[in-house]
Amino acid sequence: GDSVTQMEGPVTLSEEAFLTINCTYTATGYPSLFWYVQYPGEGLQLLLKATKADDKGSNKGFEATYRKETTSFHLEKGSVQVSDSAVYFCALSRRSSTLGRLYFGRGTQLTVWP
Amino acid sequence: EPEVTQTPSHQVTQMGQEVILRCVPISNHLYFYWYRQILGQKVEFLVSFYNNEISEKSEIFDDQFSVERPDGSNFTLKIRSTKLEDSAMYFCASNLEGGADAEAFFGQGTRLTVV
Repeated sequence: GDSVTQMEGPVTLSEEAFLTINCTYTATGYPSLFWYVQYPGEGLQLLLKATKADDKGSNKGFEATYRKETTSFHLEKGSVQVSDSAVYFCALSRRSSTLGRLYFGRGTQLTVWP
Repeated sequence: EPEVTQTPSHQVTQMGQEVILRCVPISNHLYFYWYRQILGQKVEFLVSFYNNEISEKSEIFDDQFSVERPDGSNFTLKIRSTKLEDSAMYFCASNLEGGADAEAFFGQGTRLTVV
């Protein structure tokens, strides 16, 4: 079935370090791919998305490229800030879905120290 | 900015008791969802709701679970007789469009602890 596997956390970085959080997926057909972020005390919110192969989603300095050949959607940021400390969730939605059901990974806790 | 609101933020209940988790989705949204995350595990889909009926449910969503949108504003998840394994963070979500590309808006979650 459809599933998402993302890098185990927690991840701890110093400010201005480079971030990669790995995400791979298994899906029938070509899904849409998402990264959601949950800041402390808040709900999950969409960070970025890509809806077809080779699309790059980007927002707030974060990027992820939809790689069909490696079934991956790794999240990257060149220089993290303390305010990026949060839990990051990779997710997919089936292209055939009319209802927007999401399949999530476990989430990766990121802590950035000053 | 409109947001999805969930209450309570934390609920403790005894095994076998009924619980109702409440959500107020964004007012013009049409599709509603419940997800849950057991500690250390994936966020799992429970149910989607559209046009006043369940559209899709997962194998987790058995007869002990029900959802309701009683007044056009609230969206509730009821667990009839809670089990220890129902302890989890429950997330409500809504979106306007449905579909594979739609952005879902999530509440901050209700942490349910069954003792």
